[in-house]
Amino acid sequence: TQLLEQSPQFLSIQEGENLTVYCNSSSVFSSLQWYRQEPGEGPVLLVTVVTGGEVKKLKRLTFQFGDARKDSSLHITAAQPGDTGLYLCAGINNDMRFGAGTRLTVKP
Amino acid sequence: KAGVTQTPRYLIKTRGQQVTLSCSPISGHRSVSWYQQTPGQGLQFLFEYFSETQRNKGNFPGRFSGRQFSNSRSEMNVSTLELGDSALYLCASSKRTGGDYGYTFGSGTRLTVV
Repeated sequence: TQLLEQSPQFLSIQEGENLTVYCNSSSVFSSLQWYRQEPGEGPVLLVTVVTGGEVKKLKRLTFQFGDARKDSSLHITAAQPGDTGLYLCAGINNDMRFGAGTRLTVKP
Repeated sequence: KAGVTQTPRYLIKTRGQQVTLSCSPISGHRSVSWYQQTPGQGLQFLFEYFSETQRNKGNFPGRFSGRQFSNSRSEMNVSTLELGDSALYLCASSKRTGGDYGYTFGSGTRLTVV
């Protein structure tokens, strides 16, 4: 059983569409991070959210940390093929634990 | 600046053998964490080292062990390899431990057990 549940597991959309992926847990985290991983490489940090209710924007990506610091979402506006990859959320307390990831495919 | 370096990149071992993987963190980073990534289980936490001390350990059998040297380089060892140990092993380094500091991952070691 994963400490963090990510949904959906798989997502295939057309270029230009919007999407949201979710990361949920019954545990409270001191902070939460989102990573993107491409085949054959390690995950790359996208953002860290620390405060409940915090919203961070990174170009077309919007990250939100839940008020109770148990969940988070990632919204991508006008997705592009370059956004294709495995998106992972990671909850941090004494160590860092990952969700299973959402595999996103953006078709041209 | 140099990133996190993991060696070797690929490894094929026979069941029952043992293997040692290496991770060189970013200069100045004192925390090194290890993860096992498989299609079925995702990224599973193995252990974290900080200043040569193991801080945390995940739910893996004792066949999985690690250590960290005074220069922060870390190694992990898997003894008596099983087919199910086939995975991508990733290490991540950070300046400190247990906080919201960014972790930088290496490209991983792809271990195949036959």
